[in-house]
Amino acid sequence: AQKITQTQPGMFVQEKEAVTLDCTYDTSDPSYGLFWYKQPSSGEMIFLIYQGSYDQQNATEGRYSLNFQKARKSANLVISASQLGDSAMYFCAMRVYYGNNRLAFGKGNQVVVIP
Amino acid sequence: GAGVSQSPSNKVTEKGKDVELRCDPISGHTALYWYRQSLGQGLEFLIYFQGNSAPDKSGLPSDRFSAERTGGSVSTLTIQRTQQEDSAVYLCASSFGRDFSSTDTQYFGPGTRLTVL
Repeated sequence: AQKITQTQPGMFVQEKEAVTLDCTYDTSDPSYGLFWYKQPSSGEMIFLIYQGSYDQQNATEGRYSLNFQKARKSANLVISASQLGDSAMYFCAMRVYYGNNRLAFGKGNQVVVIP
Repeated sequence: GAGVSQSPSNKVTEKGKDVELRCDPISGHTALYWYRQSLGQGLEFLIYFQGNSAPDKSGLPSDRFSAERTGGSVSTLTIQRTQQEDSAVYLCASSFGRDFSSTDTQYFGPGTRLTVL
């Protein structure tokens, strides 16, 4: 079974600063994908970024980048130049390719950006 | 294009009543997923459809829960004889459904908040 761990307490971040959200995962499958989603107070889950287990380079998507350390089984999200609109819950998720397509989610990290 | 839509956005029901939740996926997406989000349990997978068939129903918490998908599009999640522990946000997602692609991102709808009194 896949397991995602997000253990950081709620975080306050100064506007324009960078923030790193930790995610560790556990799987015995060699092929998997890692996803980060943002969930603002409105409730919708918004896809941010994806990293495949065989990708050689860390994924980047605008202000979002993923610090992927495969040997340590970690996939930390970095948000650069934080904006007030970044205040939300952030979820790390994993999908194992072979077997089924379900996403296994972590418990989430709460981020509040302060001006 | 349009994203995943869900209805109703909010549903309040009495214990013991049946409820139906609807999901309309992104056009062209063959895979559809239901998840449940509650304070105590976080985000839980419920069921997955590929086309109209459900290869994975293992997340359904009891036989009071069922889901169907018709025409490879709209899906309905039905909860019979609702209980208070069914109160949660029910999220639907869809994807292109390419099992072995390098990315098969799931896009979520806004959810249905179910409250069982």
